[in-house]
Amino acid sequence: AQSVTQLDSQVPVFEEAPVELRCNYSSSVSVYLFWYVQYPNQGLQLLLKYLSGSTLVKGINGFEAEFNKSQTSFHLRKPSVHISDTAEYFCAVSALEQTGANNLFFGTGTRLTVIP
Amino acid sequence: GAVVSQHPSRVICKSGTSVKIECRSLDFQATTMFWYRQFPKKSLMLMATSNEGSKATYEQGVEKDKFLINHASLTLSTLTVTSAHPEDSSFYICSANRGPQETQYFGPGTRLLVL
Repeated sequence: AQSVTQLDSQVPVFEEAPVELRCNYSSSVSVYLFWYVQYPNQGLQLLLKYLSGSTLVKGINGFEAEFNKSQTSFHLRKPSVHISDTAEYFCAVSALEQTGANNLFFGTGTRLTVIP
Repeated sequence: GAVVSQHPSRVICKSGTSVKIECRSLDFQATTMFWYRQFPKKSLMLMATSNEGSKATYEQGVEKDKFLINHASLTLSTLTVTSAHPEDSSFYICSANRGPQETQYFGPGTRLLVL
């Protein structure tokens, strides 16, 4: 089975400052990694994903994440945050099961609050 | 592309009644649809996975007789909360993908409040 740990439940940061949201995973098989963002009372929106290839993945809204296999991490970063980035961010992992379905396992989320 | 809708967006019902939530993939055919439940300030918990035309696969601890899932077509899955109770109040989110190893696209969620 797979699991995801997001150590920081809340991250406050000033506007235009850089931010890093941490994500670590555990799995006995190769995984795919995702970051999703959830705005209040809305569903999840895919920010970026790592399936294979380059370990540095660029997503929407200026976010990027780097897959580090040796540290089993997939931290999310943005060099300069905006007020509109205030939201809940979820890291997720999936592995290809025998049936072909790819269930997602989510971390507990990190609440990013951008302070004016 | 890859838009998933849910209806209704929010529903309030009396205890003991049943509530149906629809999940539709608007611009693609969804081989698999997933139903999640999200508690306040908590992560998403996968409830069940459904493939078109076959029975849903429920996660451990999820009552299949209480949460009925029907995946009648490649663009529609429904979740029916039967005999709802206040503890069933939650945010229910569906997702869909085109096939194995494909990205899941999420609906906007349905907030259920059982009085």
